[in-house]
Amino acid sequence: EPEVTQTPSHQVTQMGQEVILRCVPISNHLYFYWYRQILGQKVEFLVSFYNNEISEKSEIFDDQFSVERPDGSNFTLKIRSTKLEDSAMYFCASSESGANYGYTFGSGTRLTVV
Amino acid sequence: QKEVEQNSGPLSVPEGAIASLNCTYSDRGSQSFFWYRQYSGKSPELIMFIYSNGDKEDGRFTAQLNKASQYVSLLIRDSQPSDSATYLCAVNGAGANNLFFGTGTRLTVIP
Repeated sequence: EPEVTQTPSHQVTQMGQEVILRCVPISNHLYFYWYRQILGQKVEFLVSFYNNEISEKSEIFDDQFSVERPDGSNFTLKIRSTKLEDSAMYFCASSESGANYGYTFGSGTRLTVV
Repeated sequence: QKEVEQNSGPLSVPEGAIASLNCTYSDRGSQSFFWYRQYSGKSPELIMFIYSNGDKEDGRFTAQLNKASQYVSLLIRDSQPSDSATYLCAVNGAGANNLFFGTGTRLTVIP
């Protein structure tokens, strides 16, 4: 069964450092998403991406965050200057036809900011 | 602000019983409704979706939707210990290309 692949599975970074989280969506999917889940809390929407541009973003997705699809397979989330409160599990998701049809999530990257 | 509310639980049921999980949502224009299962430390896994009022059955799972009451539920028949997980309700709001998730209900099936 096709999978969404995320790397790394766990990243530890110092406060103020930049991190890039990587995702390889399912190959025929056209819609891509980033979510985060702080330990013990809900899965929160960050951003959606379609046709090489951001289609929607949440209040969480401020100027410290950016997304990119640098080639035909990767989808990345960059956090420019990490804060302690950025510590969370970050999930990438993709969908063939958009949110109306549900997503497939990747296995996640656990980001720990120290 | 789109809200999706779930009873956080925990909900405990004996093996073989029916587990009933409930969810309400605030956006009356919501069109698509999903149930995801999340094992501890893992990513959400889609188990059911429903678009129309009424019931939708898939194996041991039945999703129920009542748009007038803004209510979605998930029934799990013949619950198994492997069903022990957190169940997340997710809703696609009107005109939105993303899903809003509830906090999830933790289900424990006792052997």
